[in-house]
Amino acid sequence: GAVVSQHPSRVICKSGTSVKIECRSLDFQATTMFWYRQFPKQSLMLMATSNEGSKATYEQGVEKDKFLINHASLTLSTLTVTSAHPEDSSFYICSARVDSQGGQPQHFGDGTRLSIL
Amino acid sequence: QKEVEQNSGPLSVPEGAIASLNCTYSDRGSQSFFWYRQYSGKSPELIMFIYSNGDKEDGRFTAQLNKASQYVSLLIRDSQPSDSATYLCAVRRTNAGKSTFGDGTTLTVKP
Repeated sequence: GAVVSQHPSRVICKSGTSVKIECRSLDFQATTMFWYRQFPKQSLMLMATSNEGSKATYEQGVEKDKFLINHASLTLSTLTVTSAHPEDSSFYICSARVDSQGGQPQHFGDGTRLSIL
Repeated sequence: QKEVEQNSGPLSVPEGAIASLNCTYSDRGSQSFFWYRQYSGKSPELIMFIYSNGDKEDGRFTAQLNKASQYVSLLIRDSQPSDSATYLCAVRRTNAGKSTFGDGTTLTVKP
């Protein structure tokens, strides 16, 4: 089955630090990847859709200058949380979908738990 | 009205019973439907997907789709305590579009 690898799994850092999270599709190509954020006991919230070779599409209310997305290849997308603050502490999850004509499901990485002190 | 609605629960069933999870959606043009399971503190994992009206079975899981009534359900037979999790319904209009997720239903299976 399709495997999505996300790294790192956990980050603890000081306020003001920038944090980069990587998302890789291990055995398939993914033109489109998705980045989600989830606060404890809350719903999955889509932050942005990452498109290989073009700019990401951000959801309303998500600061594109704060959450930088780079989708440099068909198997790698990165999310950088710039100048992170305690309110950015959350569970960040990436997702990728196999490129095909059919309605393929999204597969999720294991997530990155970000804690800003 | 949310695009994808699920009863938040918690839904509690005894071990061995059938758990029934329901999801309704507002976009009549939706074509693809997915069920994910999310354990506390973990990321979602795909359980099943369904595209056509009717039932689709995979082991203890059965997905049911009724496009006319705009609902999709997930049945879990012989529920086990390990099935205790939040179940997310996701709907997508086109092959290339993004999926819309419901808020999830929390299921507890009591031994």
